[in-house]
Amino acid sequence: AQSVTQPDIHITVSEGASLELRCNYSYGATPYLFWYVQSPGQGLQLLLKYFSGDTLVQGIKGFEAEFKRSQSSFNLRKPSVHWSDAAEYFCAVGGLAGANNLFFGTGTRLTVIP
Amino acid sequence: EAGVAQSPRYKIIEKRQSVAFWCNPISGHATLYWYQQILGQGPKLLIQFQNNGVVDDSQLPKDRFSAERLKGVDSTLKIQPAKLEDSAVYLCASSLVAGPSYEQYFGPGTRLTVT
Repeated sequence: AQSVTQPDIHITVSEGASLELRCNYSYGATPYLFWYVQSPGQGLQLLLKYFSGDTLVQGIKGFEAEFKRSQSSFNLRKPSVHWSDAAEYFCAVGGLAGANNLFFGTGTRLTVIP
Repeated sequence: EAGVAQSPRYKIIEKRQSVAFWCNPISGHATLYWYQQILGQGPKLLIQFQNNGVVDDSQLPKDRFSAERLKGVDSTLKIQPAKLEDSAVYLCASSLVAGPSYEQYFGPGTRLTVT
């Protein structure tokens, strides 16, 4: 079955530490890949996206993600986390079977401690 | 540029009552989406409009949910009658045109609690 998996429900990191959020997908072909962030009471904001080309993509707020075809993964990284990064992070895929909508993972909640 | 607007932001109703949500997309965006986000889950598409036509409503529980996008701008999503399991955040998103390469911009959502 097609799916998007975010294995970590909740991650806690110290401010200034590095961060990696995991995302795996299960589809026959390489889909369009996205990372969104959702702060409390806010809508989802696009951090970055991958369609093709360079497998390391840069996004807003200092985030980057690397597409690894062999592992069907699209992990999100940030070298130094800020307290304002505390939020819910969603991995999503799009463009499946010609569809325009996004299929989201269950999300990873990030807590940042001082 | 104004973002996607939604109202109300919060709504509490009793089961079997009806409720309506409103969405105003970004000006000029032809494609509008309604997603349902249940607590602890990612958003799930309910319906997609292209201008004022429905593109995909395969996940919309049509026995109780309805949506319209008159004049291809604003949209309303209605639930009648509501069930306990409809408690969720309802997100509206819009994009310039349909297609996965076009960014979807999300509104703040309407949090519905059904008691």
